[in-house]
Amino acid sequence: EVQLVESGGGLVQPGGSLKLSCVVSGFTFSGSAIHWVRQASGKGLEWVGRMRSKTDDYATAYGVSLEGRFTISRDDSKNTAYLQMNSLQTEDTAVYYCVSGQWQLKNHMDVWGQGTTVTVSS
Amino acid sequence: QSLLTQPPSASGTPGQRVTIPCSGSGSNIGTSRVNWYQQPPGTAPKLLIYFNDQRPSGVPDRFSGSKSGTSVSLAISGLQSEDEADYYCAVWDSRLDGWVFGGGTKLTVL
Repeated sequence: EVQLVESGGGLVQPGGSLKLSCVVSGFTFSGSAIHWVRQASGKGLEWVGRMRSKTDDYATAYGVSLEGRFTISRDDSKNTAYLQMNSLQTEDTAVYYCVSGQWQLKNHMDVWGQGTTVTVSS
Repeated sequence: QSLLTQPPSASGTPGQRVTIPCSGSGSNIGTSRVNWYQQPPGTAPKLLIYFNDQRPSGVPDRFSGSKSGTSVSLAISGLQSEDEADYYCAVWDSRLDGWVFGGGTKLTVL
């Protein structure tokens, strides 16, 4: 069964940092892109960014609203992806999902994790 | 303000056919394939339609997608109570160099 499990969410003060993890199982993660998507309470989905596979030179892209504060990385040997979030603001409070795919959907958002909640508050 | 425009709400009665539109531009829908996601209350989103009109295995054929120019539509026929959810379109935007989501449409089954 394909599964993505996020962890690392929690309460952080404005200006602080947090690193989320996403463990992937059930398929060959190394050949797929990993995306992060967030959703503030009662709001819509917002694409945070993605990192492609080694075959695609681990190319990254990020949402324009993030202003370079977030960084995606991955460790294919551990089937794990990360989202490093710096200079956090109250507007970053949201549920963060990692998303991936395989085969013809390897660069798309196919299978979603259950999400991890990040709260930025003093 | 999303680059993709969806109506905030839609509704229908059981058995009816409902259509949810998503409008974009030449830098996104006009040049890339669109995916649709279904998000029932309190759950993570799920891929419903990919590449404009393809259904993943397990998605009932009551759900269908279509594309015309810079707009796409999601159609749900034989509406059921379990279809009550938020629906989002998503596509790569070549001008932003990133993925964009529509604002979402809340479907209510009356």
